Amino acid sequence: ETGVTQSPTHLIKTRGQQVTLRCSSQSGHNTVSWYQQALGQGPQFIFQYYREEENGRGNFPPRFSGLQFPNYSSELNVNALELDDSALYLCASSLAGALIYEQYFGPGTRLTVT
Amino acid sequence: AQSVTQLGSHVSVSEGALVLLRCNYSSSVPPYLFWYVQYPNQGLQLLLKYTTGATLVKGINGFEAEFKKSETSFHLTKPSAHMSDAAEYFCAVSDLNRDDKIIFGKGTRLHILP
Repeated sequence: ETGVTQSPTHLIKTRGQQVTLRCSSQSGHNTVSWYQQALGQGPQFIFQYYREEENGRGNFPPRFSGLQFPNYSSELNVNALELDDSALYLCASSLAGALIYEQYFGPGTRLTVT
Repeated sequence: AQSVTQLGSHVSVSEGALVLLRCNYSSSVPPYLFWYVQYPNQGLQLLLKYTTGATLVKGINGFEAEFKKSETSFHLTKPSAHMSDAAEYFCAVSDLNRDDKIIFGKGTRLHILP
């Protein structure tokens, strides 16, 4: 059974640029959630994707967007990067209808915005 | 609104000593409560959960936590610390709605002294 994988592991971008982060869900999982974990903070929910559509969103601006593909993998896109976007971005996969804690996290992508 | 407060961003204990990580929550409805662990360069891993029933819950790696409604607490303990327990620990809360999100605390980094 393959776990949740994320790429790249680290990324450095300049303010104003755009970035795309990728996530492959655990085998058999069809729902993907994204979290932002700023330094010294706990993860904060960005959004969730199910059946290639956004299925719930946290308190993040529209410049945070995502995609889910037929193979259930997902992308997180952030436009017009700001310094405060520097964080660890975590992806978690689960089965639709699963209880909230039945999700498995990837190792994250560390994004640094300069 | 739900919230979680973890007391102490850093906790140091000697190897073999008791581990106690404190968590208090705020919720207007009966909560689900969780502890997650994050090892360096790894994703979050569920340590244990409280949903209903027995208020003392046992998790992986010898950890346990007790739900105390009167104190709105869910402290994490382990009788004897091991060097491998060094990690960041997050307390989290969710309500009973399956579509709801997990609210994480800011985390406590546990240091194990030889």
